[in-house]
Amino acid sequence: DTAVSQTPKYLVTQMGNDKSIKCEQNLGHDTMYWYKQDSKKFLKIMFSYNNKELIINETVPNRFSPKSPDKAHLNLHINSLELGDSAVYFCASSLYRDSSGNTIYFGEGSWLTVV
Amino acid sequence: AQKVTQAQTEISVVEKEDVTLDCVYETRDTTYYLFWYKQPPSGELVFLIRRNSFDEQNEISGRYSWNFQKSTSSFNFTITASQVVDSAVYFCALNLSGNQFYFGTGTSLTVIP
Repeated sequence: DTAVSQTPKYLVTQMGNDKSIKCEQNLGHDTMYWYKQDSKKFLKIMFSYNNKELIINETVPNRFSPKSPDKAHLNLHINSLELGDSAVYFCASSLYRDSSGNTIYFGEGSWLTVV
Repeated sequence: AQKVTQAQTEISVVEKEDVTLDCVYETRDTTYYLFWYKQPPSGELVFLIRRNSFDEQNEISGRYSWNFQKSTSSFNFTITASQVVDSAVYFCALNLSGNQFYFGTGTSLTVIP
């Protein structure tokens, strides 16, 4: 069974469209994340949720909105897609502790191409 | 400020050679964790190892070994007798309190048959 699964894996869409990427984890983790990886492979955190509560919200355009219906799901909705949004988006999860030591487990990535 | 530096952007080795991937980190915290992840050409990010700041013992797992040296703030990763399947981008990461993760920029390793 896939621990962190995200869909779709590939998404090609036109500028201006709205799209969503869904993510689910079956690890029983409390915290979920969205990371963006650009063409140079830089990994940048976008959002982090702990038990449905937003705890990290990096500087990303308002067009990106995460939604966590429960602690096992964290979806990413993107409005008015732009060419620069083309990237690989990774969902991830970890146990939540106040101290360090959480291992982040990543999904397989969603390749978004905006044309 | 860059907290994790992977100075080697790309490395190419011939199969069966040993290769070391460097990782230098920066923190004033006394408690922290270090990680390595592998991203093969298929794209997924695979967890390889986690090491806490109080454990400087080197670790070996098959052909993989990790050298943690607090004195130089380094957590280097060595692949012995490299294989084509080792070709991937490798990321080093630093975890501070809570969920603060800092990833390096990655080292792309190509193993030539």
